[in-house]
Amino acid sequence: KAGVTQTPRYLIKTRGQQVTLSCSPISGHRSVSWYQQTPGQGLQFLFEYFSETQRNKGNFPGRFSGRQFSNSRSEMNVSTLELGDSALYLCASSLEDRGVEQYFGPGTRLTVT
Amino acid sequence: GQSLEQPSEVTAVEGAIVQINCTYQTSGFYGLSWYQQHDGGAPTFLSYNALDGLEETGRFSSFLSRSDSYGYLLLQELQMKDSASYFCAATGDDKIIFGKGTRLHILP
Repeated sequence: KAGVTQTPRYLIKTRGQQVTLSCSPISGHRSVSWYQQTPGQGLQFLFEYFSETQRNKGNFPGRFSGRQFSNSRSEMNVSTLELGDSALYLCASSLEDRGVEQYFGPGTRLTVT
Repeated sequence: GQSLEQPSEVTAVEGAIVQINCTYQTSGFYGLSWYQQHDGGAPTFLSYNALDGLEETGRFSSFLSRSDSYGYLLLQELQMKDSASYFCAATGDDKIIFGKGTRLHILP
């Protein structure tokens, strides 16, 4: 089975721009979660989607949004980028919502200049 | 609030045993998971405890005490390849909360 894939792997953007990241879960997995990882804060939960519905949301501003498509693929969007948004964005999939065993993708390294 | 506490760093010797502790505070607690992340890699799932007690998977074991809001990951027969960051994660009503990770250093 193919693992979780994320595109792009690296991205450089300027403050004020917006960005869209993509995640394809493992085949058959219906839950996709997004995390932001920074050296000082560890892994911070952004949101979880299950069957195209946002099930849970972390404590991030409304500039961070996402969606899930009928094939379980998910996208995450960040608008009006700030320098502090520079991070590794990880996507994880699991069979069920609030899935205990999550499979992580390699991440998208976003740099905001 | 919801939070997890784990040591930022732990050092152990190759072949020895090391324990990484995690205390949590979260509403509607379901269970505690552990993940391993090597530098430059993605987190990989190690174990999950929903009930009190010890779960063993090869050289790794994980323990949970719901009454104490406490768990730990036990790594035995340490190998150099175990050098990585280890995260505990609490699954609750609203979300999954990760600790900030414990960096495990292994000395030869």
